[in-house]
Amino acid sequence: DAGVIQSPRHEVTEMGQEVTLRCKPISGHNSLFWYRQTMMRGLELLIYFNNNVPIDDSGMPEDRFSAKMPNASFSTLKIQPSEPRDSAVYFCASSTGGGNTIYFGEGSWLTVV
Amino acid sequence: GQQLNQSPQSMFIQEGEDVSMNCTSSSIFNTWLWYKQDPGEGPVLLIALYKAGELTSNGRLTAQFGITRKDSFLNISASIPSDVGIYFCAGSKTSYDKVIFGPGTSLSVIP
Repeated sequence: DAGVIQSPRHEVTEMGQEVTLRCKPISGHNSLFWYRQTMMRGLELLIYFNNNVPIDDSGMPEDRFSAKMPNASFSTLKIQPSEPRDSAVYFCASSTGGGNTIYFGEGSWLTVV
Repeated sequence: GQQLNQSPQSMFIQEGEDVSMNCTSSSIFNTWLWYKQDPGEGPVLLIALYKAGELTSNGRLTAQFGITRKDSFLNISASIPSDVGIYFCAGSKTSYDKVIFGPGTSLSVIP
C-alpha cells in the first residue's frame, strides 16, 4: 500500500517567492497533519485536519502560512512570501483519527535563500 | 500548552548494551506513541500504547504506558548499529485530539 506521499522532496527557493508543498494522505485516513521540523524547535504541529476541515491551526506561525484540504486525498501547505527562517523539513502525516497512530511522509526539505 | 519532555537528550552506547529512555508530560495522555527517525527520512512508528500500565514489545523494543498516564518508557535490548537514530515519543489526550511530539533522544551506537 502506498504511504503518505509528499512533493516536492527538495526545494530551494529565493526569499520572497511563493512555496507550495503537496501531500496525498493514505487512502481511508480521515485525519491529516502538517508538521515542521528544525534543529532548534524539533517537530512542531502546524495544522491538523479532520474530514477535510481544519480542526487546530494554532501552530501556524503567521499569516504567511496557509493550508488547504480541498478533498480527502489532497492537501497543500503554502508559504507566501517565503523567508530564510522558513527553511526546514515539512512533514505531512495521516491517521484514521486524530489521536490514533499517525503515519509520516518522507518530508519536503525546504531551503529559502 | 502541552509539552513533552524526553530524557536523555542524547546517548552514546556500546553495541550490545541495553538502552532506556523516557518521556514525561505535565498532562495526562490516553495514547502514547514511540517513533524512530533515520537521517533524511520521516519518523516511523515503533510502538503504540493505549492503556495505562500497558507493556508492549516489538522485537528488541519494549515500551510501557506509565500508570499515572503522564509518562512512558522505551527500552532497547542488545543494541545494534542500525538502532542509531532519533527516538521520539508522542502523545494525544483523546482519539480525536492532535498528536504532539517530544524533542527526541538521539542514540548513537558504537560498534
